Amino acid sequence: DAGVIQSPRHEVTEMGQEVTLRCKPISGHDYLFWYRQTMMRGLELLIYFNNNVPIDDSGMPEDRFSAKMPNASFSTLKIQPSEPRDSAVYFCASTRDYSYTEAFFGQGTRLTVV
Amino acid sequence: AQKITQTQPGMFVQEKEAVTLDCTYDTSDQSYGLFWYKQPSSGEMIFLIYQGSYDEQNATEGRYSLNFQKARKSANLVISASQLGDSAMYFCAGGDIDDKIIFGKGTRLHILP
Repeated sequence: DAGVIQSPRHEVTEMGQEVTLRCKPISGHDYLFWYRQTMMRGLELLIYFNNNVPIDDSGMPEDRFSAKMPNASFSTLKIQPSEPRDSAVYFCASTRDYSYTEAFFGQGTRLTVV
Repeated sequence: AQKITQTQPGMFVQEKEAVTLDCTYDTSDQSYGLFWYKQPSSGEMIFLIYQGSYDEQNATEGRYSLNFQKARKSANLVISASQLGDSAMYFCAGGDIDDKIIFGKGTRLHILP
């Protein structure tokens, strides 16, 4: 398996634009997590899914953020409208079943909102 | 709410020495897992090692091992024979089984030649 795949790797966008980040988890992994990493706040959990169902989205900062997982092999994190304070590295991670013996990250998407 | 505590913001260690990085997981659940990740300057998150709360043995993976103290809910990462390439940010993460995985603030490790 190729691991968790995120796209794009880098995104530069203007304030007010819509941004969509994508993630393909490892095949067979039931859990998918979206994290945001900044210098000030470290690694924050935004939302996680179990079997494509959102379980906890309490970390989503505002209504401008939304996430979907239409099937087991794809998830999106959307920011609309984007703001400069959304600039961060966004990571997607997946793990198989509830035993949590492994949890792997994608390469991350570095988002810059100007 | 659960919380991961890493008490060492930064460490300097001489090459070839062993390193111990601290991690404690504050949770009321008895079933949980603890993870360690390495984040080099390139930015990717590299999974290192995992310890389940009901695992009988301390986890080991090559030069990485965990000193798991169940009563304290701590899983300190031990890196034996440190190398220059071990210089990186190290994150501890934890999750109650069937629940979210949260991260500590990290420890920046510097290996000195």
